[in-house]
Amino acid sequence: NAGVTQTPKFQVLKTGQSMTLQCAQDMNHNSMYWYRQDPGMGLRLIYYSASEGTTDKGEVPNGYNVSRLNKREFSLRLESAAPSQTSVYFCASTLRGTETQYFGPGTRLLVL
Amino acid sequence: DAKTTQPNSMESNEEEPVHLPCNHSTISGTDYIHWYRQLPSQGPEYVIHGLTSNVNNRMASLAIAEDRKSSTLILHRATLRDAAVYYCILWSVWQGGKLIFGQGTELSVKP
Repeated sequence: NAGVTQTPKFQVLKTGQSMTLQCAQDMNHNSMYWYRQDPGMGLRLIYYSASEGTTDKGEVPNGYNVSRLNKREFSLRLESAAPSQTSVYFCASTLRGTETQYFGPGTRLLVL
Repeated sequence: DAKTTQPNSMESNEEEPVHLPCNHSTISGTDYIHWYRQLPSQGPEYVIHGLTSNVNNRMASLAIAEDRKSSTLILHRATLRDAAVYYCILWSVWQGGKLIFGQGTELSVKP
């Protein structure tokens, strides 16, 4: 099992550019999550998907959109990147009814 | 959402036990106490969780106060690889399984 994978690992964008962060899990998990982590801070939830076909806002959803493409994949899109979105983005997944979240290695995004 | 309070940082010597405290005075009856840790430049990883009773696993032990308003994560013999930020989080199935991270405790381990 690869667990939770994220692409790309690093990305540099200019203000106003768009991009999609990809996340996939091979553990047959129902729920998937996107978090961001700013320097010296804990993680903050952007969006989550309790099951295929559903998505809900988290703590900091503004400026982002998500797509739960199928059970395995959950993507995060920045339509018009801003310097305030410079952060490390983590994807996570969990089996519904269980308590443990499994995290990917993160995508480091710099917006100039 | 119920909140947790942890010290910003702690130091330990290698091969000594470490006790990481967490206060959660507003915990509700359905909240589980979860601990995750984040090694440098990695995503968080699950450590342990419990509801009311003390818990042990291969990584650590979790001691929960009788009134559940505080808990302590115990690393029995700290190694250099245990240097990380440790997060104490209250988890409830009624919140859709979401994790609400605080700032955590940064543990440094001295050889």
